[in-house]
Amino acid sequence: DADVTQTPRNRITKTGKRIMLECSQTKGHDRMYWYRQDPGLGLRLIYYSFDVKDINKGEISDGYSVSRQAQAKFSLSLESAIPNQTALYFCATSAATHTDTQYFGPGTRLTVL
Amino acid sequence: AQTVTQSQPEMSVQEAETVTLSCTYDTSESNYYLFWYKQPPSRQMILVIRQEAYKQQNATENRFSVNFQKAAKSFSLKISDSQLGDTAMYFCAFNSGAGSYQLTFGKGTKLSVIP
Repeated sequence: DADVTQTPRNRITKTGKRIMLECSQTKGHDRMYWYRQDPGLGLRLIYYSFDVKDINKGEISDGYSVSRQAQAKFSLSLESAIPNQTALYFCATSAATHTDTQYFGPGTRLTVL
Repeated sequence: AQTVTQSQPEMSVQEAETVTLSCTYDTSESNYYLFWYKQPPSRQMILVIRQEAYKQQNATENRFSVNFQKAAKSFSLKISDSQLGDTAMYFCAFNSGAGSYQLTFGKGTKLSVIP
């Protein structure tokens, strides 16, 4: 079984709709992250959480919100989706150690029409 | 702010040959971590190799090795005996360590292994 899972894997939605992307992990890591990948831009950080009560904005948080329901679950919401949020979204986790290597889920391909 | 630059958008290599992907970075930190991630067509981000800046020895993982030049802020990835399964996007990434939250990624190099 995968250590970091994301649902759904693919989603097509319409402008203005609310959508939630979910991430679960079995690695026992405290830290979780949401990234967005656009062609030619690499990955950019949207939000990160160091534990259930600690949530922080990344470099591109506008238009997004998150919820850390438990140590193992971290959800990303688009309150009112717009076409330029069409992208590949990744969840990642890391342990709270000095090495802080991040391990990624399989990604969610989101298309906003 | 840290930046990571991958100057080769695309590269190709013959199967069984060796290829080197380049990465440079900019930071004022003295201790940090560098990574290479692989993204095959399946789009999964897979950790290839990690280097800790305070270690002088270059990291090696099977056919993958790095050439870490701290003074030059350079972190290249060498793939030996290239295989068709190595075809992927490769991303260089930087983490300033000490519990820093953010991985800063380069824009990636698309590697094609030709049979």
